[in-house]
Order: sequence, then structure tokens, then C-alpha cells
Amino acid sequence: DVKVTQSSRYLVKRTGEKVFLECVQDMDHENMFWYRQDPGLGLRLIYFSYDVKMKEKGDIPEGYSVSREKKERFSLILESASTNQTSMYLCASSRPGQGAAGMNTEAFFGQGTRLTVV
Amino acid sequence: RKEVEQDPGPFNVPEGATVAFNCTYSNSASQSFFWYRQDCRKEPKLLMSVYSSGNEDGRFTAQLNRASQYISLLIRDSKLSDSATYLCVVAPGGSYIPTFGRGTSLIVHP
Repeated sequence: DVKVTQSSRYLVKRTGEKVFLECVQDMDHENMFWYRQDPGLGLRLIYFSYDVKMKEKGDIPEGYSVSREKKERFSLILESASTNQTSMYLCASSRPGQGAAGMNTEAFFGQGTRLTVV
Repeated sequence: RKEVEQDPGPFNVPEGATVAFNCTYSNSASQSFFWYRQDCRKEPKLLMSVYSSGNEDGRFTAQLNRASQYISLLIRDSKLSDSATYLCVVAPGGSYIPTFGRGTSLIVHP
């Protein structure tokens, strides 16, 4: 059974703290993603990675950084947590697109980390 | 990255009803289309892929209209357990990045 595991289900941090959110997948997927999900705004892409040590900014990278030192692990870092980063954070992974058209494959999600910054 | 639009609902329907959702996308180069389901306080999970002219899985039918740039999801004989948020997902060919709609909420009541 495929699995994407996020290190914490619930997290409470103080403003200004450095926060690490960890995500591990056991499917040998090349692609990994970090999203945040807020009511009324849906899923917004923060960063993604298509290979080890590779990273690309998504739609809302400000205030975040990422690390991918190993294929199975993709970490999201909040350099200095702020209250507007209180959110549900979702990690996902997928295989690269298949065929000449690069058809995308299913993305598998972790269970989410609900982060509260106080 | 182009947008994916969905009616947020909620769609409030009785058990046994047929309900349909639409999702429009603006990038004509889009090649991959999916419907995901997300239960309250849970992660999204794949419901159906829509690769060509559509497909059917039991009570669920997904269709793609490339000319008008929309996909649809039809649920027949709705069950209480179908209550969830349904997310439309679109990706251009060759892109690593799926783009999610904001989701449509479905509430099935007795």
C-alpha cells in the first residue's frame, strides 16, 4: 500500500520560531510537492521538487524554503513562523508524466499537518 | 499557471439523487485531468482520472469536453457517504505540476 507520511498531525509554534515539516514517501516517486490549504482558497502550491536536490517555487513560496537531500524525503521549512502561516499543510508525491505528452499520474497525499502559529 | 474554476456549492441533495459538477480550465494545452475527493479534515484522494473522452466507474461518470475546456463529474444514486468536497485537477502536458480547483462541496441528506 502506497504511503506518504508527514511527521506531525498537529503542531503549535510561536511567532518567530523556525519550523520544520517533514514528509516521507515510500513509492520511489520523483515528484514531491508541498501545498497549504485554507478555507475558501483551496490548495495552493508552495514548492515542488522533481528530483533530489532540485526545487522549484510554486505560487506562494514567500516565507518558506524546502530541502530534498534524499529522494524519499521532502522537508518544508518556515524560516520565521508568522500567524498568517497558520494553515493545513499537505505533502504529495507522484511519478513523472508518462508518454510523449507527459501525461501526469496520480498524486498521493500525506494526512496533513495542521499548524497553528501563536 | 492557469486557473481551474469550480462552483464551491454546497450542493445539497437527497439520497438517490443524481448530481453533476462542472470544472472549467483556461489552459488549452492541458493534457491530464482528474477528480479527487476530500473528506472533512482528511487528505485528498484520487476518485477518477479522465484521460480522453471520459470514463465511468460504477455510479460515477467523468467527461471531458476539450472544445469548451471543461470536465464534469456525474454521481448517480447518491449515498450519504458521497458527502465530501470534490476537487478538479488539471495538468498541462509535460508539466510536473497538477493545478487544483478550490473544490465543490456535496452534502447528501436522508
